[in-house]
Amino acid sequence: QSALTQPPSASGSPGQSVTISCTGTSSDVGGYNYVSWYQQHPGKAPKLMIYEVSKRPSGVPDRFSGSKSGSTASLTVSGLQTEDEADYYCTSYAGSNSWVFGGGTKLTVL
Amino acid sequence: QLQLQESGPGLLKPSETLSLTCTVSGGSVSSRTYYWGWVRQPPGKGLEWIGSADYSESTYYNPSLKSRVTISVDTSKNQFSLRLTSVTAADTAVYYCARLELQFDFWGQGTLVTVSS
Repeated sequence: QSALTQPPSASGSPGQSVTISCTGTSSDVGGYNYVSWYQQHPGKAPKLMIYEVSKRPSGVPDRFSGSKSGSTASLTVSGLQTEDEADYYCTSYAGSNSWVFGGGTKLTVL
Repeated sequence: QLQLQESGPGLLKPSETLSLTCTVSGGSVSSRTYYWGWVRQPPGKGLEWIGSADYSESTYYNPSLKSRVTISVDTSKNQFSLRLTSVTAADTAVYYCARLELQFDFWGQGTLVTVSS
């Protein structure tokens, strides 16, 4: 069970869009539509932003969207705002009631 | 609103056993819909799934930790617990409890556990 691969960092200016990738294998991301994304501000618990690849929980702005192609999932943040600056983690179901996280991406709003 | 709160010792010596409890309010660990899980985050590093359990105490563990981990559910106290044996400095982390369906939708605030002699 290897960690999903995310870029260590991403950045964008206010108002721009940024996309963060999450690459796995056919045993996790590619095999199931159970990819979720979490936002974590420093010293805080992770917060669910996207689930089942592209669904948004109540209260999450529609600036956040998710997608998947093959074994790579993506989180897109449109209309970047300063409060979007945070760490973002993906996770995927990996079969047999197991879960795997990505290494995390630090999003900087320039 | 569902709330989860971790509790337990914050400092352990190498070879000791880590024991944490997650108290659930605003919901029931007896729910047949959800699992209850533990996730940890070493300082400055990413998240790692430790394991999950359901109301019937069916348990599932990260293979890398399986030999040292036990997760249990106490429906009478509306709590679930984590036990990690033979800790080392590598187990120093913030430990989070969370509700799990097909995603981790509610999280505790986390508790820092430091392993040091």
